[in-house]
Amino acid sequence: DAKTTQPNSMESNEEEPVHLPCNHSTISGTDYIHWYRQLPSQGPEYVIHGLTSNVNNRMASLAIAEDRKSSTLILHRATLRDAAVYYCILGEETSGSRLTFGEGTQLTVNP
Amino acid sequence: GAVVSQHPSWVICKSGTSVKIECRSLDFQATTMFWYRQFPKQSLMLMATSNEGSKATYEQGVEKDKFLINHASLTLSTLTVTSAHPEDSSFYICSARDWDRVGYTFGSGTRLTVV
Repeated sequence: DAKTTQPNSMESNEEEPVHLPCNHSTISGTDYIHWYRQLPSQGPEYVIHGLTSNVNNRMASLAIAEDRKSSTLILHRATLRDAAVYYCILGEETSGSRLTFGEGTQLTVNP
Repeated sequence: GAVVSQHPSWVICKSGTSVKIECRSLDFQATTMFWYRQFPKQSLMLMATSNEGSKATYEQGVEKDKFLINHASLTLSTLTVTSAHPEDSSFYICSARDWDRVGYTFGSGTRLTVV
């Protein structure tokens, strides 16, 4: 599985935007970039995913570098409920493909 | 959206006994489910891929005789921790994919404590 690199932790203030980076220099052509987050004592939650183009949904935006070797998850206005561990994961979109989690980024949101 | 129900949410058992954890897809069928384990302050570690009607595929280093997986229907997979020991105490999480929707759905996890 291709590896991703994320900062161990980041801090943000409430209602400010947050940019969570992820490096994936060994990404393959068929790998999608997935983002999940995990609140304490809960299972992970899907945030967003993309292949080449930038993606937006109600939770976040995903900006993918042109060479696909890095990406950034953007939370437009952080809330206290966004405090979680954010995981950037590479994986194919095929039946049976599995997600392999790295260490993720612990996001702290200050009131 | 897709819902994966995991039961129990927590369990305490005595060393040497076995514990069964259930994972159900409530509103979709899942031919494949995944089982993860997570120790405190660590990331999720994939243990095995559960395949409906066939044997599970275990990740390297995971003992298949200790962690028994049964996926007897399209909506239910079970993980049995046999002869549990304190080092098996962990947070166990299952996951499945509804291919009519985006993303994998995770259960809420089972906190296992072996005393």
